[in-house]
Amino acid sequence: QVQLQESGPGLVKPSQTLSLTCTVSGGSISSGSYYWSWIRQPAGKGLEWIGRFYTSGSTNYNPSLKSRVTISVDTSKNQFSLMLNSVTAADTAVYFCARGSGSYPEYFQHWGQGTLVTVSS
Amino acid sequence: DIQMTQSPSSLSASVGDRVTITCRASQSISNYLNWYQQKPGSAPKPLMHAASSLQSGVPSRFSGSGSGADFTLTISSLQPEDSATYFCQQSYSMPFSFGQGTKLEIK
Repeated sequence: QVQLQESGPGLVKPSQTLSLTCTVSGGSISSGSYYWSWIRQPAGKGLEWIGRFYTSGSTNYNPSLKSRVTISVDTSKNQFSLMLNSVTAADTAVYFCARGSGSYPEYFQHWGQGTLVTVSS
Repeated sequence: DIQMTQSPSSLSASVGDRVTITCRASQSISNYLNWYQQKPGSAPKPLMHAASSLQSGVPSRFSGSGSGADFTLTISSLQPEDSATYFCQQSYSMPFSFGQGTKLEIK
């Protein structure tokens, strides 16, 4: 059973870069045909898809964040990462990493537990 | 972008009640509609995919229906452990989007 775990700083200063890592266990991040996504949820609010990468190496981003987001992968560590630059208080949220189902229609089948990131000086 | 609208935003029902949550897309999304259940402090858990396919391990009292732009999630006989927030999500086109959620409370 694949498991995902987010890690990274819980506090980021405004205008700085938010950097999170998702460590995958129970399967190789580079095997199979899966999408690996980042999703966030401000406190008490809904879910926002940030972006994803495919095992082939392609990436897709939410246009609302595209200018500030980079998703990358480190297959040697079985990890993928999120970088979000020029953060503001509006980026304060619980950030989840998730793996897609590998089937169509796609859905977010496996999720990490989430990590809270607060943007504050 | 496709907007997803759920109703109601919150709901209170009794154990044994039949509960229906609706989700409407701003355009047709075929059956590219998924449902998730989220309890406080936890990640969303997939319940249903492709509008009506029950996720493995999810009780059969949960069912989904719909296609095009209108979808429903039904709980046939509400149980105490069903207290949660429910989200719909479209995977028809990027950016993938979620409904705002329906908070279900047990009376």
